[in-house]
Amino acid sequence: SQQGEEDPQALSIQEGENATMNCSYKTSINNLQWYRQNSGRGLVHLILIRSNEREKHSGRLRVTLDTSKKSSSLLITASRAADTASYFCATRSLIQGAQKLVFGQGTRLTINP
Amino acid sequence: DAGVIQSPRHEVTEMGQEVTLRCKPISGHDYLFWYRQTMMRGLELLIYFNNNVPIDDSGMPEDRFSAKMPNASFSTLKIQPSEPRDSAVYFCASSDRLVGQYFGPGTRLTVT
Repeated sequence: SQQGEEDPQALSIQEGENATMNCSYKTSINNLQWYRQNSGRGLVHLILIRSNEREKHSGRLRVTLDTSKKSSSLLITASRAADTASYFCATRSLIQGAQKLVFGQGTRLTINP
Repeated sequence: DAGVIQSPRHEVTEMGQEVTLRCKPISGHDYLFWYRQTMMRGLELLIYFNNNVPIDDSGMPEDRFSAKMPNASFSTLKIQPSEPRDSAVYFCASSDRLVGQYFGPGTRLTVT
């Protein structure tokens, strides 16, 4: 089963609004990453947050990590039509040397113009 | 850099045929990953390599699936014989361990 579980499964908002997606996971992690996938394309890495970090920003993206609750959130501010895509969280195990990522099922985000 | 390159982009084959998917990772990346994506099961890691050596193949579904990485710039994923349930999008990704993984455009496989 997938380690990360995104919530909600689908989100539809108006352009200009903020979009928040959540991710929960089960085991201890080294880091957590968020990816975007446009329809028919490969995944694109957005941001990585390490287990000792609580918040990280990149442009209009803000990611938080709460290791005590084993959860993360991705906030996209001032959304644009081009942000329409599926968003996945992925966790990397705490096991030293392990490079594999476990992906969640994703949140399908639709930005309405 | 051209990014991760995969070929073919689309493959339609009949059940029982051999299918070979190809991947060229980003130069300098020492990790290569093969994933499969379906609506039902999401994105699944099949196998990954480090410095051309398979590290974890626990996600390979059956003996019909095999993967090789003969050198740092090329990897193949082979399905023999193929079955309709193998229909999916197969992604290759590479990484240098410092940041995230870089995904290729994927190969959409349809087995009839």
